[in-house]
Amino acid sequence: AQSVTQPDIHITVSEGASLELRCNYSYGATPYLFWYVQSPGQGLQLLLKYFSGDTLVQGIKGFEAEFKRSQSSFNLRKPSVHWSDAAEYFCAVGAPNYQLIWGAGTKLIIKP
Amino acid sequence: EAGVTQSPTHLIKTRGQQATLRCSPISGHTSVYWYQQALGLGLQFLLWYDEGEERNRGNFPPRFSGRQFPNYSSELNVNALELEDSALYLCASSWRRQGIGGYTFGSGTRLTVV
Repeated sequence: AQSVTQPDIHITVSEGASLELRCNYSYGATPYLFWYVQSPGQGLQLLLKYFSGDTLVQGIKGFEAEFKRSQSSFNLRKPSVHWSDAAEYFCAVGAPNYQLIWGAGTKLIIKP
Repeated sequence: EAGVTQSPTHLIKTRGQQATLRCSPISGHTSVYWYQQALGLGLQFLLWYDEGEERNRGNFPPRFSGRQFPNYSSELNVNALELEDSALYLCASSWRRQGIGGYTFGSGTRLTVV
């Protein structure tokens, strides 16, 4: 069965520091992979997605993610975080019948 | 362009009552997806509607139901509410051909069952 694991429940990063959020997936075929961000009390916004091709994907707000098939990973990165990046981040994999299977989320806390 | 709109923003119901949540997709989108985001349980797929028909449902009891109207807006009904139904209910829409590649989410309805 498909599954997504985000091993870090919380991550604290200083403003201006680099960020990496981890995501591991389990899926039998070539996965469709997504990162979404959710600000407090808000819905989910798509940051980036991977379907095929270049394994390094660029997204909005300066985020990027790298698909590594050998490690079943799709980690999200940003070279320098801003206080406005504080939010919860969700990794998801596309499953049959157009649904998404979600990780539990990682809450990003920014230290001034 | 208007995004996905959900109403109401907040809903407080008593155990055993029924709740109705509404979703208006982005203009031109024919698919509507419902997800439940409960504390500690993450996002769980509830229902997918496309072209007025239920195409898929997640692992939820039958008291979770819904429909999609001719204008592609959708309604989620939860009957016989239980305390565990308290959650943020998120709606997303897409063009059917885009499927999961084209999800746009609304801001959600916060349902509280007391």
